[in-house]
Amino acid sequence: SQTIHQWPATLVQPVGSPLSLECTVEGTSNPNLYWYRQAAGRGLQLLFYSVGIGQISSEVPQNLSASRPQDRQFILSSKKLLLSDSGFYLCAWNLSNSPLHFGNGTRLTVT
Amino acid sequence: DQQVKQNSPSLSVQEGRISILNCDYTNSMFDYFLWYKKYPAEGPTFLISISSIKDKNEDGRFTVFLNKSAKHLSLHIVPSQPGDSAVYFCAAFGTSYDKVIFGPGTSLSVIP
Repeated sequence: SQTIHQWPATLVQPVGSPLSLECTVEGTSNPNLYWYRQAAGRGLQLLFYSVGIGQISSEVPQNLSASRPQDRQFILSSKKLLLSDSGFYLCAWNLSNSPLHFGNGTRLTVT
Repeated sequence: DQQVKQNSPSLSVQEGRISILNCDYTNSMFDYFLWYKKYPAEGPTFLISISSIKDKNEDGRFTVFLNKSAKHLSLHIVPSQPGDSAVYFCAAFGTSYDKVIFGPGTSLSVIP
């Protein structure tokens, strides 16, 4: 069966520090991969999605970036965090025409 | 531009009654719709879906209705239970539109 792992679960980082969140999927090949963010009291905002290795589409211009170095690995990064980057970050995967499956999320607090 | 809308941020329902959560969309390229349930500090979990070739899909206490001409769908929960209290997200994507777009969510409270 397919599983998705996302880590860390919580993270507290100072403003201006770098960020790296990692997500891996097991049990499937060539999944679509997604990064979403849920800010406090708000809905799920699509940040990046990828349909294959090295293929990244950015939905929101900001100081975050994403990379897909391997088929089932998706990384969310920032060189310098802002206070406004605080939120709940969710990785998800699906195959074409099927529902998304989410990881357990990372609670990021930028102080 | 919000392509998937959930105009009710919150809803309260008595236990045992019907909960109806509504969703509207604007992009005619969407042809697959999903509902997710989310508890605080957890990832959303998939509840039920419907494709645009259908107007109704049932799974136990959950039924989703789609009115394609009105670009409207709704999730019915009958009977509502306290454990259903959560945020419900409507989402959509298309066979030629890979991105899954979520609505802002509706917080459902089921009162015992």
